[in-house]
Amino acid sequence: KQEVTQIPAALSVPEGENLVLNCSFTDSAIYNLQWFRQDPGKGLTSLLLIQSSQREQTSGRLNASLDKSSGRSTLYIAASQPGDSATYLCAVRRENYGQNFVFGPGTRLSVLP
Amino acid sequence: SAVISQKPSRDICQRGTSLTIQCQVDSQVTMMFWYRQQPGQSLTLIATANQGSEATYESGFVIDKFPISRPNLTFSTLTVSNMSPEDSSIYLCSVDRQGAREAFFGQGTRLTVV
Repeated sequence: KQEVTQIPAALSVPEGENLVLNCSFTDSAIYNLQWFRQDPGKGLTSLLLIQSSQREQTSGRLNASLDKSSGRSTLYIAASQPGDSATYLCAVRRENYGQNFVFGPGTRLSVLP
Repeated sequence: SAVISQKPSRDICQRGTSLTIQCQVDSQVTMMFWYRQQPGQSLTLIATANQGSEATYESGFVIDKFPISRPNLTFSTLTVSNMSPEDSSIYLCSVDRQGAREAFFGQGTRLTVV
């Protein structure tokens, strides 16, 4: 059974710091992995999608890596800003049909001005 | 990316009543997905809605409680019926972008049942 964990559960940093969020999964047989951002009481915003055959994806200040064999993904945020404050979720898609995600519990990030 | 409009964004409802949530997508999609996110919890898939057929419900969710309509390839509704305070959650709809299988979500409906 696929399980997804995220470390740390919460993180508070001063503005401008570079930071790393971690996601671990127990079953390496994944279709893809997606990182989302969720603001309080709102929906999910897709940040980065990594296919199972890829090692990393980049979008602006965000970089996500995937090491399928070790069951790990990291989300790197460069030069953090107060607007980055949100909960970050990683979700593992198990197969190429439907939305059979397993979501991690999230990392709650606060970037202090 | 897919643009998803979800309405209402939030509502406060009396117990025993029903609320219908609408989800409109800017392009045609085969499947639309409905999720629930209870306070402090991660997302749980309620059902998958295909156009022209009955929705497929996940374990623990039933059609009488969460009836779903899918009248065309860009629109779906989820009704939360006979509500109780335990139904207070964020409800989200989602679609996949074809090809890369990237998921996109609506803005969510924050439901409070009093």
